[in-house]
Amino acid sequence: NAGVTQTPKFQVLKTGQSMTLQCAQDMNHEYMSWYRQDPGMGLRLIHYSVGAGITDQGEVPNGYNVSRSTTEDFPLRLLSAAPSQTSVYFCASSRNLAGGRGEQFFGPGTRLTVL
Amino acid sequence: AQKVTQAQTEISVVEKEDVTLDCVYETRDTTYYLFWYKQPPSGELVFLIRRNSFDEQNEISGRYSWNFQKSTSSFNFTITASQVVDSAVYFCALISGGSARQLTFGSGTQLTVLP
Repeated sequence: NAGVTQTPKFQVLKTGQSMTLQCAQDMNHEYMSWYRQDPGMGLRLIHYSVGAGITDQGEVPNGYNVSRSTTEDFPLRLLSAAPSQTSVYFCASSRNLAGGRGEQFFGPGTRLTVL
Repeated sequence: AQKVTQAQTEISVVEKEDVTLDCVYETRDTTYYLFWYKQPPSGELVFLIRRNSFDEQNEISGRYSWNFQKSTSSFNFTITASQVVDSAVYFCALISGGSARQLTFGSGTQLTVLP
């Protein structure tokens, strides 16, 4: 199993550009999520999904869109990048996070810089 | 609302010393789950342990041990006889409520083990 994969590993954008961060998992996990990691702030949840066709907002959803058309994929879209979105982005998946029953498996991260 | 506080931003120890990383959590729910994750310099996030609120038994895994105390809302992590390879950022995290779907992370503790 490849686990959780993310592409790209690094990305530089100009303010106002759009892009999609890709995330895929091959463990048939129901739960997938996106976090951003900023210095001194730990990981903050952006969006999450409990299954195909179901998404919901996390702690910091503004400026990001998600969709979940398949169990395997959970892309994160930045419609108009801003310097405040410079961060490291992690995708994670879990068999079932509800109630804390499942540990989360994290992807390797995408380091995004917005100029 | 749920919150995790890791008051120790950075800790530096010399190899073979014992070190304890503190984690204090807040939640109004009686059912909750606590986690510890490790993020080595390579950047990936590695799951270490999950505990539920009904099990206050301390756990030991090799040089790692965890002390869960509901009376003080703490879930501390001790590394015995630290090694250079233990150098990493350690995150404590919490999910609360039987149907909760959001994992809240602390801001992390940077542990440096010097040779």
